[in-house]
Amino acid sequence: GAGVSQSPRYKVAKRGQDVALRCDPISGHVSLFWYQQALGQGPEFLTYFQNEAQLDKSGLPSDRFFAERPEGSVSTLKIQRTQQEDSAVYLCASSNPGVGGKLFFGSGTQLSVL
Amino acid sequence: SQQGEEDPQALSIQEGENATMNCSYKTSINNLQWYRQNSGRGLVHLILIRSNEREKHSGRLRVTLDTSKKSSSLLITASRAADTASYFCATDAAGSYIPTFGRGTSLIVHP
Repeated sequence: GAGVSQSPRYKVAKRGQDVALRCDPISGHVSLFWYQQALGQGPEFLTYFQNEAQLDKSGLPSDRFFAERPEGSVSTLKIQRTQQEDSAVYLCASSNPGVGGKLFFGSGTQLSVL
Repeated sequence: SQQGEEDPQALSIQEGENATMNCSYKTSINNLQWYRQNSGRGLVHLILIRSNEREKHSGRLRVTLDTSKKSSSLLITASRAADTASYFCATDAAGSYIPTFGRGTSLIVHP
């Protein structure tokens, strides 16, 4: 596709519900990043994939957060037993070595946990 | 944790004026990038400056990097109302491939 696509755009979940957020990166991009952005803050790193390999998950806040990219393209971020503090915008970005570190971001998924 | 910190947190100017935002960071870096984010949208890449570069230009944007002070500045000249957005710096720490963002500067340009 022309850009990074994320779905859903908005998600409202009841506390305790599981949610799955999807990211479609730019076709052919090797690197994929997930970030969490709280209101009025900068993006905080969650996890990084190179193709299908999850090379860094040091930013995942708890074991309720899980990400995968099984075929090296589409990625899913899953949050189990959502809590109110999980409410944030979840941003996905993709990149390639040929673009020198530049990240291409999706519009994000705004998650609200009630 | 956030590697870069932007200053000021908020900036309000009139159209036609210049806007300067600063970024300070803590550790040695490979490169530093500036991004822009309009309300409710994802971030858009503006400019990247490598650790061995001191200044870079792109249209109305001018970025400087002082590695001895661990700081960078973004200058937007002849600002327009459409420049209203949040601006973030992101750094790749040396030995890492993860861009780490600051808290951002919120810029408002009044027409």
